[in-house]
Amino acid sequence: EVQLVESGGGLVKPGGSLRLSCAASGFTFSSYSMNWVRQAPGKGLEWVSSISSSSNYIYYADSVKGRFTISRDNAKNSLYLQMNSLRAEDTAMYYCARDIVGARLPDYWGQGTLVTVSS
Amino acid sequence: QLVLTQSPSASASLGASVKLTCTLSSGHSTYAIAWHQQQPEKGPRYLMKLNSDGSHSKGDGIPDRFSGSSSGAERYLTISSLQSEDEADYYCQTWGTGTVFGGGTKLTVL
Repeated sequence: EVQLVESGGGLVKPGGSLRLSCAASGFTFSSYSMNWVRQAPGKGLEWVSSISSSSNYIYYADSVKGRFTISRDNAKNSLYLQMNSLRAEDTAMYYCARDIVGARLPDYWGQGTLVTVSS
Repeated sequence: QLVLTQSPSASASLGASVKLTCTLSSGHSTYAIAWHQQQPEKGPRYLMKLNSDGSHSKGDGIPDRFSGSSSGAERYLTISSLQSEDEADYYCQTWGTGTVFGGGTKLTVL
């Protein structure tokens, strides 16, 4: 069974940093591209970042470019999101999601980890 | 610019059928999309990948009540024999230089 479990969320002050993790199991992690997608309270889904299976291709939404860094450790079956210079508008539930092979369309999602940026 | 447009809300009666629409922006009518369901207080769930020719492949465990179809730049999700647990937000999604989500449709089952 495919499982994606996010962790690392919490309350952080504006300008602060946080590192999210996503532990993957039930599939060959190193064969799949992965994503971070977020959802602000009461709002829709917003794509944040994607990384290819071997980390060769990395993409970011304009809203986080230069502040967030996506990475992965295939030996540990883990995906990460380093978030720096956090702003109030980064407050959201952050989801880890696996892409379908050959398409940048998520077919499995985690349950999310909540990030709150507030003073 | 790649944009997906969805109606904010839809409603249908228990046991009936409903057809949700996702419209691709001009110049992107050949793009495949995915449909995702998000029930209240839960994470999203992948329903299906839908191609421009209407062919679709569903996610694990998705009931036959869920189907997809396409016409030009329109992508549809049809849910038949509506059940109370189908009350949820439905998002379409595709990708270009980045990944794009539609604004979502909130489905109310009456």
